[in-house]
Amino acid sequence: EPEVTQTPSHQVTQMGQEVILRCVPISNHLYFYWYRQILGQKVEFLVSFYNNEISEKSEIFDDQFSVERPDGSNFTLKIRSTKLEDSAMYFCASSSDRTQYFGPGTRLTVL
Amino acid sequence: EDQVTQSPEALRLQEGESSSLNCSYTVSGLRGLFWYRQDPGKGPEFLFTLYSAGEEKEKERLKATLTKKESFLHITAPKPEDSATYLCLLEGGTSYGKLTFGQGTILTVHP
Repeated sequence: EPEVTQTPSHQVTQMGQEVILRCVPISNHLYFYWYRQILGQKVEFLVSFYNNEISEKSEIFDDQFSVERPDGSNFTLKIRSTKLEDSAMYFCASSSDRTQYFGPGTRLTVL
Repeated sequence: EDQVTQSPEALRLQEGESSSLNCSYTVSGLRGLFWYRQDPGKGPEFLFTLYSAGEEKEKERLKATLTKKESFLHITAPKPEDSATYLCLLEGGTSYGKLTFGQGTILTVHP
C-alpha cells in the first residue's frame, strides 16, 4: 500500500541553523501539507500546497518557513533560522481528494 | 475562526465496554470532518471522512457520525489494541486546505 515517507526521522540542529525536512508524498496525490506537534500538545496546521503554490497557511508559518516541491516526488519544509521553540514533530501529509494520509514524522530538536 | 473541541480529554474503558468520543466544532462552511488515530511517536492514521450532517461511516468496532455541530466516534466492545489518541480534523473555509485539529482524546482500554 502506498505511503508517505519522511526523512530524516530525527534531526538535531543548533539554534540559528537552517534545516530542511523532506517528504515523499503518495505518487498520484496533488495536495500536500505540513503540520507540527510540539511534545504534549495538539497537532497544528502549518501550510497546504497545491499546483506549485501555497493554498493556505497558518499564523505559525511565518517568513522563517518555506515550502518547495523541487521535483516530481519530493516536498520540502525549510526553516531558515531555527529557534528553540521550533523543536517538535513535523508531519507531512498528502491527498488526492480531501482525505489526507500522514507520514511518520520528523522529530526536530533545536539545541 | 474555526474551532474544534474534543471531549473527554482522556477516557479509560474496560475491554468490551462501549463508549463515545465527541468532537464539537464551529466553522464557516464545513468542507469535511476527519477522524484519525495516533499512536505514540507516530503520524496520524486515517479512519473516516464525513462531509455532511447525517452521514455515518463504520469500520470494525468504530462508527463515526456527524451533525451540524458535532461528530461522534462510537467504539463498540473495544479491545486493548484500540488504545490510542483519537483526533478530529476539520476542514472549513472557502478555499481548499484550511485545517484545524482538535486536541485529541486519549483512549485507554484495559484487558
